[in-house]
Amino acid sequence: TQLLEQSPQFLSIQEGENLTVYCNSSSVFSSLQWYRQEPGEGPVLLVTVVTGGEVKKLKRLTFQFGDARKDSSLHITAAQPGDTGLYLCAGSLLNAGNNRKLIWGLGTSLGVNP
Amino acid sequence: GEEVAQTPKHLVRGEGQKAKLYCAPIKGHSYVFWYQQVLKNEFKFLISFQNENVFDETGMPKERFSAKCLPNSPCSLEIQATKLEDSAVYFCASSQAGQSRRAFFGQGTRLTVV
Repeated sequence: TQLLEQSPQFLSIQEGENLTVYCNSSSVFSSLQWYRQEPGEGPVLLVTVVTGGEVKKLKRLTFQFGDARKDSSLHITAAQPGDTGLYLCAGSLLNAGNNRKLIWGLGTSLGVNP
Repeated sequence: GEEVAQTPKHLVRGEGQKAKLYCAPIKGHSYVFWYQQVLKNEFKFLISFQNENVFDETGMPKERFSAKCLPNSPCSLEIQATKLEDSAVYFCASSQAGQSRRAFFGQGTRLTVV
């Protein structure tokens, strides 16, 4: 059973379209991170959200942490071919104490066609 | 160094052979993590170190997997008697001490067991 469910699993869109990727759980997280991974590379951190209801923007990317800290979303405006990649959410469970290990979603594979 | 360096990039082993993977964390980072990424993008936590001490090894298959982080040496992950299901990309990540949870990932080692 996945602690973090990501949807959709695959997404293929045209350049200029908007999209939203979701990361949901029944567990509460003290923090949640979004990563982007390209083939043959390690994941690269995009953002960390820690406060319930928090919204962070990174150029055309908007990240939101749910009020109850159980879910998060990533919205991309006017997608570009360079946005193509695997988007992963990962979090630290609230009751994990000082344990720094990350719980991962299975990722959303995004393809943006020119 | 300024990035997490993993070697080798690719490793092919016959079933039953030993595999050893190396990771040099970013200088000054006291936490090291090993993750296994298998098919369908699933990241599985294996083990973490705080300096040379094991911090959390709850993800390690105890029988064939071992790991070390010794002073002045790269960290290592060793798999004795590899099995087909060990085929995966193994990622190492490091982070600083303190409240920051930002982990920097290496490029991974792709292990193929044939």
